[in-house]
Amino acid sequence: GESVGLHLPTLSVQEGDNSIINCAYSNSASDYFIWYKQESGKGPQFIIDIRSNMDKRQGQRVTVLLNKTVKHLSLQIAATQPGDSAVYFCAENSGDYKLSFGAGTTVTVRA
Amino acid sequence: SQTIHQWPATLVQPVGSPLSLECTVEGTSNPNLYWYRQAAGRGLQLLFYSVGIGQISSEVPQNLSASRPQDRQFILSSKKLLLSDSGFYLCAGLNQADTQYFGPGTRLTVL
Repeated sequence: GESVGLHLPTLSVQEGDNSIINCAYSNSASDYFIWYKQESGKGPQFIIDIRSNMDKRQGQRVTVLLNKTVKHLSLQIAATQPGDSAVYFCAENSGDYKLSFGAGTTVTVRA
Repeated sequence: SQTIHQWPATLVQPVGSPLSLECTVEGTSNPNLYWYRQAAGRGLQLLFYSVGIGQISSEVPQNLSASRPQDRQFILSSKKLLLSDSGFYLCAGLNQADTQYFGPGTRLTVL
């Protein structure tokens, strides 16, 4: 089964608002986590990653937060734009850089 | 930078026919390579991975096989396709930052 899961399968957000996508993981030994964005019919695209020795990492308009105590990962997107509409996956490294993926959260941006 | 190429982009095959999907990598040497399958509305399931020429690890028993005849070539095959083999097949490689990056995928429909 999947060791990484997402709290909500869908998220609808108003353009310009901030988005928060959550993810729970089960393997406390995982030391590397990645967020991917997948547009319809395309391969997943790397957004941002974080290692277990950090609790926060920022990129361009995105922030990933890692809470190892409760095994929770989140992706925050600032000022959400129509181009952010996609499915977002979290993934954890389950050893030898084999990734376990959750089912994904579909983000829809309302104009 | 590393790039993953996959072909064909789409494929429709009858049940019982053979399959060969090809993945090639450019911009790096001796990368770890991965084959994933994605069912509609689901996350990615790791099928095979390879750490070098001729080295294949299978994650899930199934109707498929993989081969790595050259450093930058990874092939997914089947002798006889089943209906359940339909899906979106993704090839991924591991870059120098230890992040998996994906190809554009092959949409396989078995009828």
